[in-house]
Amino acid sequence: DAGVTQSPTHLIKTRGQHVTLRCSPISGHKSVSWYQQVLGQGPQFIFQYYEKEERGRGNFPDRFSARQFPNYSSELNVNALLLGDSALYLCASSFGQGAYEQYFGPGTRLTVT
Amino acid sequence: AQKITQTQPGMFVQEKEAVTLDCTYDTSDQSYGLFWYKQPSSGEMIFLIYQGSYDEQNATEGRYSLNFQKARKSANLVISASQLGDSAMYFCAMRELSNSGYALNFGKGTSLLVTP
Repeated sequence: DAGVTQSPTHLIKTRGQHVTLRCSPISGHKSVSWYQQVLGQGPQFIFQYYEKEERGRGNFPDRFSARQFPNYSSELNVNALLLGDSALYLCASSFGQGAYEQYFGPGTRLTVT
Repeated sequence: AQKITQTQPGMFVQEKEAVTLDCTYDTSDQSYGLFWYKQPSSGEMIFLIYQGSYDEQNATEGRYSLNFQKARKSANLVISASQLGDSAMYFCAMRELSNSGYALNFGKGTSLLVTP
């Protein structure tokens, strides 16, 4: 079975631009969470979506938004990019909202110049 | 406030030896979960082991075991018989139910290098 997939793998953007990152969960998983991992730090929670509804939001500005589609895939959108948004963006899927085992994708490496 | 503390930025261990990676946590909840993840240089977070706050036995998964001391709020990872492929970043994380949903709070990680 395919694991969590994310696209693109790498991305370079300029300050002020907008970016969309994509995530496909493991088949049968209905929950998707997004994390930001800045170099040298642990991942920080951004959003959780379950059954197409936002179920949790971390301490991130409104420039960050996300959505989940009927097939449970998800997009993370970041507007007005700042240099500090440069990070590895990780998507994790789980079967249910409270399921303890979250499976992470390989991440999208975003560089903002 | 920092919820997960990993005090060892880097650790070295010789192949076939055991190593303990430290993790302490802070919570006032009675129900929570503790996790360890491995992150190789490729970037993907690999789930290793889970311990629930109500579990009385320490969790074990193959060469990985979690030394859970609830009163001391510690959840150390023990890797037995280290292998060269164990070289990676290791993150301790805690899951709580809060107004942020079931978010994982991660520590800053410990870099483990296994030497021949």
